[in-house]
Amino acid sequence: NAGVTQTPKFRVLKTGQSMTLLCAQDMNHEYMYWYRQDPGMGLRLIHYSVGEGTTAKGEVPDGYNVSRLKKQNFLLGLESAAPSQTSVYFCASTSGGGQAFFGQGTRLTVV
Amino acid sequence: ILNVEQSPQSLHVQEGDSTNFTCSFPSSNFYALHWYRWETAKSPEALFVMTLNGDEKKKGRISATLNTKEGYSYLYIKGSQPEDSATYLCAFKRGTGFQKLVFGTGTRLLVSP
Repeated sequence: NAGVTQTPKFRVLKTGQSMTLLCAQDMNHEYMYWYRQDPGMGLRLIHYSVGEGTTAKGEVPDGYNVSRLKKQNFLLGLESAAPSQTSVYFCASTSGGGQAFFGQGTRLTVV
Repeated sequence: ILNVEQSPQSLHVQEGDSTNFTCSFPSSNFYALHWYRWETAKSPEALFVMTLNGDEKKKGRISATLNTKEGYSYLYIKGSQPEDSATYLCAFKRGTGFQKLVFGTGTRLLVSP
């Protein structure tokens, strides 16, 4: 039972480079979320999706884009990475009001 | 912007102490309130999902209460153990519009032997 899988687990980018983080869930959940974790700030919502083909902005969306072309996948893109985007990124999925299941996190460093 | 606030920010107790944390959230358009336990270098794991005013949930030595009318939830740990050391997060889900799940900043608990 895979649950929620994030790839990659670690990445180092140079300023200005682009990358895509992939989140895949096998629980048929409608809702998927991308969060970033920074010291002392808990989990901040970047973007989220309430179903295939729909996305919405969270609290800190600037500098990120997302796509949900398939129900099981939620992609987070950084078009031009900046040092301020150095963080640990978590993907999560839920069904309705049920508990969130999290991926293992992606540690991104932008130098 | 949905404000979900947790207090205290951190807590250091001795083994055997009982403790509690607070989560405050908007009292309008309530849908659900979640509690998660987050150990260092791991992913958050759900403790409770609470949906009804007056809900009380219990799992072992950990319990939680919910007051949706005034917008707060308490998490209690009875007889804290070193393995309870973690960050405890609450998350609020609103009942209207796109149902985003917004987290508080967490309460970091350290239990010393």
